[in-house]
Amino acid sequence: NAGVTQTPKFRILKIGQSMTLQCTQDMNHNYMYWYRQDPGMGLKLIYYSVGAGITDKGEVPNGYNVSRSTTEDFPLRLELAAPSQTSVYFCASQLARNTDTQYFGPGTRLTVL
Amino acid sequence: DQQVKQNSPSLSVQEGRISILNCDYTNSMFDYFLWYKKYPAEGPTFLISISSIKDKNEDGRFTVFLNKSAKHLSLHIVPSQPGDSAVYFCAARGPDSGYSTLTFGKGTMLLVSP
Repeated sequence: NAGVTQTPKFRILKIGQSMTLQCTQDMNHNYMYWYRQDPGMGLKLIYYSVGAGITDKGEVPNGYNVSRSTTEDFPLRLELAAPSQTSVYFCASQLARNTDTQYFGPGTRLTVL
Repeated sequence: DQQVKQNSPSLSVQEGRISILNCDYTNSMFDYFLWYKKYPAEGPTFLISISSIKDKNEDGRFTVFLNKSAKHLSLHIVPSQPGDSAVYFCAARGPDSGYSTLTFGKGTMLLVSP
């Protein structure tokens, strides 16, 4: 049981490039989330999904897109990378709305130069 | 506008003593509160939670207290151990997304020295 896995661990992008951050969970969780954490700041929700085929915007969705074609996968797409997107990105999953725990992946550290 | 506030960026405590981490919130509709712990280069891990209908929840060395009238919660760690050194995030669940998402504070870095 690997839990929540994220790839890549690190990435450097040039301004204007695009990339997809991958997130996979093997716990059959319905809910999945993408957060970003800037230095000295808390976790800010980018997008979330309550099940396959359903996605919703969080607090800071601009510049990002997501899809949820399967229960396991929840990729985050950056189309035109900007320096403001330099951050650490965390993916998380949760079984259902009322369960306590969101399980987090190890994070992807992204730098946009 | 921060709905969950952790006003102390850092806290230093000696091993064996009590660590008290504080969290304030502004949204009276929050119904569930959680504490997460984060080590460097790792994702946050769930530590302890409390429902808004309770005022205390205990799990081993960790106790969370909730004061609804003051919109304040605190995490007590007794006794503190060097392995507790980490960043602690307070989080709350609210109605904005049908209670599907969490709002996090900025975190408090706890350093427990031997």
